Amino acid sequence: DTGVSQNPRHKITKRGQNVTFRCDPISEHNRLYWYRQTLGQGPEFLTYFQNEAQLEKSRLLSDRFSAERPKGSFSTLEIQRTEQGDSAMYLCASSLVGGGADTQYFGPGTRLTVL
Amino acid sequence: AQKITQTQPGMFVQEKEAVTLDCTYDTSDPSYGLFWYKQPSSGEMIFLIYQGSYDQQNATEGRYSLNFQKARKSANLVISASQLGDSAMYFCAMREGGGGFKTIFGAGTRLFVKA
Repeated sequence: DTGVSQNPRHKITKRGQNVTFRCDPISEHNRLYWYRQTLGQGPEFLTYFQNEAQLEKSRLLSDRFSAERPKGSFSTLEIQRTEQGDSAMYLCASSLVGGGADTQYFGPGTRLTVL
Repeated sequence: AQKITQTQPGMFVQEKEAVTLDCTYDTSDPSYGLFWYKQPSSGEMIFLIYQGSYDQQNATEGRYSLNFQKARKSANLVISASQLGDSAMYFCAMREGGGGFKTIFGAGTRLFVKA
């Protein structure tokens, strides 16, 4: 049973470049979440999908950020025109709604550094 | 509005001793779930334990137990027989019920286990 996987694990980019991250959830999970975590803080909710539908976006998610989950399986998070303030760990989680606790299981994260 | 407070930035415990990590929460929703996650230096968030707001008994998972005091809105994590591998960041989190999706996290407590 594989867990949530994320690629790449690390990304270094220059300010103004676009970056894309990928998340593969646990196979039977129908909900997928993206979070951002900065140093010394807990994760902050960005957006979530139920199957292929993006049902909520945080106000933290500016218009430079876009997320997709085209077939209800893997998801991508794209950041356009990156800024130094985007440097953070981007975490993906998945859960099975209707499974009682709806516990979210996290991937290892993608650490983004914007120079 | 939902809020999670972890007042202990850092805690020390002697190996094989028990330790309690504090968490208080605030919500107006009568249905909610409380979670604890462990984040080692590798960065992955590891689910530890879950408590539902309507659960009559405190949750336990191996060496982890959740001391749930609903009237005081506290959900402290107790780790018994601490091990060196327990050294990590610990996050308390809450999700409001009724099909809610958004989980908010506290700022975390860093636990150091001394040999």
